[in-house]
Amino acid sequence: KAGVTQTPRYLIKTRGQQVTLSCSPISGHRSVSWYQQTPGQGLQFLFEYFSETQRNKGNFPGRFSGRQFSNSRSEMNVSTLELGDSALYLCASSPIGLAGGADEQFFGPGTRLTVL
Amino acid sequence: AQSVTQPDIHITVSEGASLELRCNYSYGATPYLFWYVQSPGQGLQLLLKYFSGDTLVQGIKGFEAEFKRSQSSFNLRKPSVHWSDAAEYFCAVGAGSNDMRFGAGTRLTVKP
Repeated sequence: KAGVTQTPRYLIKTRGQQVTLSCSPISGHRSVSWYQQTPGQGLQFLFEYFSETQRNKGNFPGRFSGRQFSNSRSEMNVSTLELGDSALYLCASSPIGLAGGADEQFFGPGTRLTVL
Repeated sequence: AQSVTQPDIHITVSEGASLELRCNYSYGATPYLFWYVQSPGQGLQLLLKYFSGDTLVQGIKGFEAEFKRSQSSFNLRKPSVHWSDAAEYFCAVGAGSNDMRFGAGTRLTVKP
């Protein structure tokens, strides 16, 4: 099976712009979670989608949003970019997701976003 | 809410030496515990997980971890470290809510 893929791998944007990141989960996985990884804050949970519905959201401003399509592919959008949004954005897929906290997640390689 | 503490930011060990990475969690009930490894430029790879049952869990690449409820710990161990084990290691807890909390990570350097 192909692993989790994320596109693009690298992005450079300027403050105020918006960006869309894409994640294709492992075939058959219905849950997609997004994380932000920075040296200062570590790995922080953004949100999880399951069957096109957002099941939970981390403590991030409304500029961060996402969606999931019927084929389980997911996109994450960040509007009005700030310098502090520079990070590695990781996507993870799992068969049933984080409900109950018990499902194993498979991570993609991430998208490195740099905001200038 | 659950939380995870990895007390060691950076550890250096010699190749062939044993390794123990510490992880402490905070949660009122039995958590689901995970150890992940991240190599530079890569995503996270699951090493092992604990859900219930035997408190000593075997994982991939020769790693094991022991769940100790009394100490709220889930330390990762390997008897003999290889140079290829140099990476960052993350402990994580998932505990009934729809999110997973990760520790800050421990960077492992392996000396030849």
